[in-house]
Amino acid sequence: DAKTTQPTSMDCAEGRAANLPCNHSTISGNEYVYWYRQIHSQGPQYIIHGLKNNETNEMASLIITEDRKSSTLILPHATLRDTAVYYCIVRFGSGNTGKLIFGQGTTLQVKP
Amino acid sequence: GAVVSQHPSWVICKSGTSVKIECRSLDFQATTMFWYRQFPKQSLMLMATSNEGSKATYEQGVEKDKFLINHASLTLSTLTVTSAHPEDSSFYICSARVSPNTQYFGPGTRLTVL
Repeated sequence: DAKTTQPTSMDCAEGRAANLPCNHSTISGNEYVYWYRQIHSQGPQYIIHGLKNNETNEMASLIITEDRKSSTLILPHATLRDTAVYYCIVRFGSGNTGKLIFGQGTTLQVKP
Repeated sequence: GAVVSQHPSWVICKSGTSVKIECRSLDFQATTMFWYRQFPKQSLMLMATSNEGSKATYEQGVEKDKFLINHASLTLSTLTVTSAHPEDSSFYICSARVSPNTQYFGPGTRLTVL
């Protein structure tokens, strides 16, 4: 079973920041948080991952709370092309034996 | 980012036939690849972990004799759906581990069994 909880759906206005929350209260000290998204009928696209520090890349920012029990993915200026299902995943296992188990994700609808 | 390809992108076959799906890492070597399947309006379900040169590890409930996985080289893993039936119709997605903490996904293969 997935170890994360996400809202089923969210809306966001185009051009505004999209903040997608994720709860992972049972996360262990060495488990990473990953975010992927899946646009309809495509394979998941990697967005970002982190362990305890906040992370930023060209796509998004990941804010992880100090107790690591929750995180937020931030898309700073959402566009219509960001409409997708966003998955927050805590990887089962570590290093070369880890595997990604998907939950139900959050369907983000970016509206004009 | 690293590129993972799948072939074919879609396939239609008759019930009882076998179908092979290829997954390739195009610009990196992947010791470990993963196979998922996804039914309409559902999330991805991990089927098995494929390690180069060794037998695949299947998730609970996945029939290893029905879903044959071969990972013969560091850039290719194949999934063969044997004696396919309509209930095997699904979106099959592979993924390859680039580094211990990074994994990329292929574009998926849509299988329809008539």
